[in-house]
Amino acid sequence: QSALTQPPSVSGSPGQSVTISCTGTSSDVGTYNRVSWYQLPPGTAPKLMIYEVSNRPSGVPDRFSGSKSGNTASLTISGLQAEDEADYYCSSYTSSSTLVFGGGTKLTVL
Amino acid sequence: QLQLQESGPGLVKPSETLSLSCTVSGGSVSSSSFYWGWIRQSPGKGLEWIGSMHNSGKTYYNPSLKSRVTTSVDTSNNEFSLKLSSVTAADTAVYYCVRQYGLGSWRFDPWGQGTLVTVSS
Repeated sequence: QSALTQPPSVSGSPGQSVTISCTGTSSDVGTYNRVSWYQLPPGTAPKLMIYEVSNRPSGVPDRFSGSKSGNTASLTISGLQAEDEADYYCSSYTSSSTLVFGGGTKLTVL
Repeated sequence: QLQLQESGPGLVKPSETLSLSCTVSGGSVSSSSFYWGWIRQSPGKGLEWIGSMHNSGKTYYNPSLKSRVTTSVDTSNNEFSLKLSSVTAADTAVYYCVRQYGLGSWRFDPWGQGTLVTVSS
């Protein structure tokens, strides 16, 4: 199974919005809404930020939102804050009953 | 609140079997609503799903690792485990245990802190 495609890095200034894309195929992102996004801050446990394309777990700020169009899912972070600086990964269920992650995106807050 | 904690040797020799356990607190591995999984991250690389298991015995594995992976759930000790055989340096990684919200979601929450396993002689 091939990893989902994410940009290696994105950046933005505090208060701005950034969007991270996650491109898959019709065998994963394009067919299933089982797309999640995870935040990996340095030195702490990974955290679920978005599940089933656009749902936010309790405790995740509403500055984080998710969407999907065709084979591409997106994570948008609005009102960027310094604490948002981290690595972000998308994941998707696949038609082979497996799970695949994206390659990860490093978000830098300028 | 559910918490997960990985444990096991931090150093494994090539060709040997890597064995890790994940202790669950604040919840039960016997819950029929959840699966329990393992994910790893090799140094400088991305996340890789290893596999997921249910206390019923149902399992799902990454095809690239399936031939070397064994997982199990121990309801008496409220923990689950991972065994990865015939390890090489490529298996050096931080290993995370996770709770998976069932087959309708395939989301992982929460995650353990992770444990670094180095494969070296």
